[in-house]
Amino acid sequence: NAGVTQTPKFQVLKTGQSMTLQCAQDMNHEYMSWYRQDPGMGLRLIHYSVGAGITDQGEVPNGYNVSRSTTEDFPLRLLSAAPSQTSVYFCASSHGAGGMNEQFFGPGTRLTVL
Amino acid sequence: EDKVVQSPLSLVVHEGDTVTLNCSYEVTNFRSLLWYKQEKKAPTFLFMLTSSGIEKKSGRLSSILDKKELFSILNITATQTGDSAVYLCAKWGNGGATNKLIFGTGTLLAVQP
Repeated sequence: NAGVTQTPKFQVLKTGQSMTLQCAQDMNHEYMSWYRQDPGMGLRLIHYSVGAGITDQGEVPNGYNVSRSTTEDFPLRLLSAAPSQTSVYFCASSHGAGGMNEQFFGPGTRLTVL
Repeated sequence: EDKVVQSPLSLVVHEGDTVTLNCSYEVTNFRSLLWYKQEKKAPTFLFMLTSSGIEKKSGRLSSILDKKELFSILNITATQTGDSAVYLCAKWGNGGATNKLIFGTGTLLAVQP
């Protein structure tokens, strides 16, 4: 099992550009989520999904879109990047609808917006 | 609003010391509390706690939950330099129809030789 994979590992964007951060898991987990991590801020939940076709907002959803067309994939889209979105992004997945299981994390994507 | 508060924010100790890290949370629809260790990469899972008073233990690390006082502690005995990391506490709570895992800001532990 590859676990949770994320691409790219690093990305530099200019303000206003769009891009998609990819996340995939091969553990057949129902629950997937996206976090951003900034210095001194811990992990903040952006969006999450409890299954294909179902997504919901987390703590900091503005500026980000998600969709979940398959169990395996949960891409995060930045429609118009801003310097405030410079951060490290982690994707995670867990078994079940969430609440009683550990989340497994991907290796992260370091995004810089100039 | 779900909130998880960790203390201290940072801590410097010497090898061999025992440390206690704290995590308090709001009670809203509590389901479970998790501890993670993060070195310069993705967080790795340590413990999940669901019941009060039952200690979870793994080597020199242990953790316990108090659901009455709404807090958890993570203990590390005989610290080693390899324990240097950010320790994250997170609570599964009810986000309405579905559940969210909300993290605290973490405790940065530095263990000096």
